[in-house]
Amino acid sequence: EDQVTQSPEALRLQEGESSSLNCSYTVSGLRGLFWYRQDPGKGPEFLFTLYSAGEEKEKERLKATLTKKESFLHITAPKPEDSATYLCAVQETSGSRLTFGEGTQLTVNP
Amino acid sequence: GAGVSQSPSNKVTEKGKDVELRCDPISGHTALYWYRQSLGQGLEFLIYFQGNSAPDKSGLPSDRFSAERTGGSVSTLTIQRTQQEDSAVYLCASSLRPSGGYEQYFGPGTRLTVT
Repeated sequence: EDQVTQSPEALRLQEGESSSLNCSYTVSGLRGLFWYRQDPGKGPEFLFTLYSAGEEKEKERLKATLTKKESFLHITAPKPEDSATYLCAVQETSGSRLTFGEGTQLTVNP
Repeated sequence: GAGVSQSPSNKVTEKGKDVELRCDPISGHTALYWYRQSLGQGLEFLIYFQGNSAPDKSGLPSDRFSAERTGGSVSTLTIQRTQQEDSAVYLCASSLRPSGGYEQYFGPGTRLTVT
């Protein structure tokens, strides 16, 4: 059974203070690992897909990386508008459903 | 372009009543998914459609839950004889393909409250 564990559960940063969120996963065969951002009262917003170990993707202040066992979402010089819950999900090669972690709630204080 | 839309945005119902939740996927997306997000829990897969067929309905929690998709587009999730534990946000997503790692785009969700 696929498992996704995210840490920390909550993270509070000062504006400009860089940090990383972790996503550890267990899957029989990885088709893709996905990062989403979710704001309160809204559906998840797609950020990145990573397909193989060593792959990296960037978008503005966010950079996602992937190893064979985990993924990191690095946030560089965050701003208050980056405050949200960040969700990690995996899709295995045999299926199409996404298995989600429980998310990291990020708060960036001005 | 237009994203995934869901209706209603909020639904309050009495225990024992039936409810229908609607999802309009992104135009051209052949795959459609339903998930459930309960307070303090992660997103839980319910059912997946490819076209009008549901090759994976293994996430439906009981036989009170059913879903259909018509015309390869709109989908309806029906919950019969609602229970308080059904209270959650029901999210719909669509993607261009069911596999190949194509990202899933989510709608805003329907918040269901069973009183």
